[in-house]
Amino acid sequence: QSALTQPASVSGSPGQSITISCTGTSSDVGSYNFVTWYQQHPGKAPKLMIYEVSKRPSGVSNRFSGSKSGNTASLTISGLQAEDEADYFCCSYATTTTFVFGTGTKVTVL
Amino acid sequence: EVRLVESGGGLVQPGGSLRLSCAASGFTFSNFWMHWVRQAPGKGLVWVSRIKFDGSIKSYADFVKGRFTISRDNAKNTLYLEMNSLRAEDTAVYYCARTDWLDPWGQGTLVTVSS
Repeated sequence: QSALTQPASVSGSPGQSITISCTGTSSDVGSYNFVTWYQQHPGKAPKLMIYEVSKRPSGVSNRFSGSKSGNTASLTISGLQAEDEADYFCCSYATTTTFVFGTGTKVTVL
Repeated sequence: EVRLVESGGGLVQPGGSLRLSCAASGFTFSNFWMHWVRQAPGKGLVWVSRIKFDGSIKSYADFVKGRFTISRDNAKNTLYLEMNSLRAEDTAVYYCARTDWLDPWGQGTLVTVSS
């Protein structure tokens, strides 16, 4: 199972919006409405930001939103803030019993 | 507070074995599927294994099949990962996480495979 493809880096100025893509295949992202997104600050454990493509867990800012079209899922961060600078990973079912992560995207706030 | 605490990592020689533990607290452990995910130094996240809440269903990434075994003791609120035939490429921080949404995660335990 190959990793889902994410851009290595995305940057934006404070207040701007950025979008991170997560491209898989018709066997994983395209087959399931089960895409999750995680934020990871350096030296820290990942934190769930989006589940089931577009749902936000309690406590996660509404500046984070998710969507999916075909084999590509996306995470949008609006009103970019300094604290959003981190690595972001997507994840999907690869089969009904296994999972696959994205390659990861480093978000830089300029 | 929901909490997951991994332990058992360390330095092991190639071909060696190690058992990781993940102690859960703050929730009814026996009601939840649990996962192991790893992250090599400076690299991305890689899914390793999953176990059903009662231990009856287990699944693994292809690269650990036959070498790693996931298990749980619901009476002790603890998840395990038995790792055998370890290779240099298994060097990583190993995290446990709750549910298929992987929420929350523990702080991780570092496994280093080196001679």
